Amino acid sequence: ILNVEQSPQSLHVQEGDSTNFTCSFPSSNFYALHWYRWETAKSPEALFVMTLNGDEKKKGRISATLNTKEGYSYLYIKGSQPEDSATYLCAFLINSGYALNFGKGTSLLVTP
Amino acid sequence: DVKVTQSSRYLVKRTGEKVFLECVQDMDHENMFWYRQDPGLGLRLIYFSYDVKMKEKGDIPEGYSVSREKKERFSLILESASTNQTSMYLCASSWTGGHIQYFGAGTRLSVL
Repeated sequence: ILNVEQSPQSLHVQEGDSTNFTCSFPSSNFYALHWYRWETAKSPEALFVMTLNGDEKKKGRISATLNTKEGYSYLYIKGSQPEDSATYLCAFLINSGYALNFGKGTSLLVTP
Repeated sequence: DVKVTQSSRYLVKRTGEKVFLECVQDMDHENMFWYRQDPGLGLRLIYFSYDVKMKEKGDIPEGYSVSREKKERFSLILESASTNQTSMYLCASSWTGGHIQYFGAGTRLSVL
C-alpha cells in the first residue's frame, strides 16, 4: 500500500474565500497524479490528471500544481462557492501499476 | 457520456449470505475496479481487472472474489457476508495507461 496523505482532513470556509489543499505522495516510480471531486450522493468525478513535474492545470476557478521531485500536489479553489462543497480526493499511480492509490480526501464545506 | 452502472444503490443482507454486486460500463474500457469506502479510511481497492477473465488483488481482497466474464461487466462477490463488510462499494472503469477512472453511483451495503 502506497501512502498518499491529504491535508487538511476537513475545511470550512465562507463563500468568496480562496482555499487550497495538499496531497503528498511517494516521489519514486511516479506515473500520474489524479484529482477527483466527490459530491454527496453523487459519483466521484475526475478534475485533473497530471503527469509532468511542474504541471499546472486549470478548470474554471479550480487549479492544481504538481511537484514530482518532492512528492506533492496542491489544489486551489479561487472564490469558493457553496457548490464547491465536496470531498476532494487525490490519487497516485506508480509506473508499473494499473490501480490508483487514493488519499483519504479533504472535505470542504463552503457556507454562504 | 461514459456510464458506469451499479445494480443497486442500497442493499440489506444477512450474515452468511452470498452477495453479488454488479457493475456495467458502456465505454469499452479495459480496466475495471472495485473499491470500498469507509469513514476515515478513504477509498480502498478490493480487486481490479485489466482484461476479460483477468483479475488482480487490491489492498483488501480478503472475504471477496470477483468475476469478469465479459468486458463490460465486473462483479464483486461476498462469499459469506459478514457485518464488517457493511460499507459503501464503488465500481470504476478506465482505459489502460493511467487514464481517469469513471465511477458508478455506489452501493451502500448493510450486513445484519
